[in-house]
Amino acid sequence: GAVVSQHPSWVICKSGTSVKIECRSLDFQATTMFWYRQFPKQSLMLMATSNEGSKATYEQGVEKDKFLINHASLTLSTLTVTSAHPEDSSFYICSARTVGDEQYFGPGTRLTVT
Amino acid sequence: LAKTTQPISMDSYEGQEVNITCSHNNIATNDYITWYQQFPSQGPRFIIQGYKTKVTNEVASLFIPADRKSSTLSLPRVSLSDTAVYYCLVGARRTNAGKSTFGDGTTLTVKP
Repeated sequence: GAVVSQHPSWVICKSGTSVKIECRSLDFQATTMFWYRQFPKQSLMLMATSNEGSKATYEQGVEKDKFLINHASLTLSTLTVTSAHPEDSSFYICSARTVGDEQYFGPGTRLTVT
Repeated sequence: LAKTTQPISMDSYEGQEVNITCSHNNIATNDYITWYQQFPSQGPRFIIQGYKTKVTNEVASLFIPADRKSSTLSLPRVSLSDTAVYYCLVGARRTNAGKSTFGDGTTLTVKP
C-alpha cells in the first residue's frame, strides 16, 4: 500500500515555542491531506483538511492561527503548532488521500510541551 | 457524516474468529464503510473497505447487510498481535471532502 511518513516521530518543546510537523506521501501524490489529534485513550479527532495550493479547512473549535497548515506540494503538508502550551501535548497524525480515494495514515508525531 | 456505534471492548483467545459489529443507521447512499486498526502510538492502518454485501481480503472479511445500517468486520483465527483498537468509519469515498470521522473504536484484546 501507499506510504505516508511524518517527521519528527516525537518532539519535546518548551511552552511558548513553535513546532513544525511534516507529513509526506512517499510514493504517491496527495491533493488532500488531513490532520488529526489524539489524546491518550481517546479516538482520533479531525483538526483540518489540507488541500494543495489552497487554504486549509479547519474543523469547528480548532484555532487556525494556532495550528498553521501549509500544503506546499502534492507530497508535503506541514502543521505548525504556534506558541505551544502543555495542553497542546498530544499525538498528531496525518493522512493522505490517493487519486483512487484511498486514505493512508502516517505513523504519528508525539508532541510533549513542557 | 454518519455516526457509528461500536462495542467499546471485546476479548478473544488465540485462534478464534472475531466479529466486530458497527452500527451506522444514518448511512448515506454514497457512503462507503472502512475499517482501520490502530496500535498504541501508531497511526491507523487500513484493513478493509466495502459498499455492500461481502468483501474479503487477505486479512479480514467485511459483511454488509442489504439495508447497510450495520457492518461486521470478521477477523479469522486471531493472534496476540491482533490486539488493537479497531475503528469503523463511514463516509463518501469519491468526493473532495472525503474526511473521515472516527468513532470511539473497539479495543480488542486477544488472550493466549
